[in-house]
Amino acid sequence: ETGVTQTPRHLVMGMTNKKSLKCEQHLGHNAMYWYKQSAKKPLELMFVYNFKEQTENNSVPSRFSPECPNSSHLFLHLHTLQPEDSALYLCASSLEGVETEAFFGQGTRLTVV
Amino acid sequence: EDQVTQSPEALRLQEGESSSLNCSYTVSGLRGLFWYRQDPGKGPEFLFTLYSAGEEKEKERLKATLTKKESFLHITAPKPEDSATYLCAGPPGARQLTFGSGTQLTVLP
Repeated sequence: ETGVTQTPRHLVMGMTNKKSLKCEQHLGHNAMYWYKQSAKKPLELMFVYNFKEQTENNSVPSRFSPECPNSSHLFLHLHTLQPEDSALYLCASSLEGVETEAFFGQGTRLTVV
Repeated sequence: EDQVTQSPEALRLQEGESSSLNCSYTVSGLRGLFWYRQDPGKGPEFLFTLYSAGEEKEKERLKATLTKKESFLHITAPKPEDSATYLCAGPPGARQLTFGSGTQLTVLP
């Protein structure tokens, strides 16, 4: 266990559905991240939060909406996704932003049908 | 734009056969990098941080080194449980980390 917990581990959703991914970290870290990992591609940073404030939004489509209510919790709200959004979505946290190593959750395997 | 390149893409070794993985990147000034291990269907697991040229770190059968232009992950006498994809990313302190595509290592018994 890395101290970063993601739920659910697997999710199948239709293109008209609305769902949310949840991430919780028990490490006392101040920064949290959402990454997307597609087959045969490097990890892609989606969003960064430092002390609950969003500091990076990597040109992510608006059908992905992040929420960070406090330093320990991070959500990714999904709506009207496309099949090409199917991927492994990873949450990570680090003590002091990208200066320090990030610890990843186990990921949510998302399939859009 | 920073680019991180890992080689080889895939590596098959016999148990006990030592080898090295490479990570090179182009950045405006050397600032180190991170190494991770990723098992199928799981999130990356942090291994090492290297901050400056000449720095070395070890963990069990793994040893990471950093030069001015690239990093190596040396695997000594690997075992089947070392099979995984090894990722490098950097640099620490950048506005965004850039990840390489990884080296998929398979160690055969």
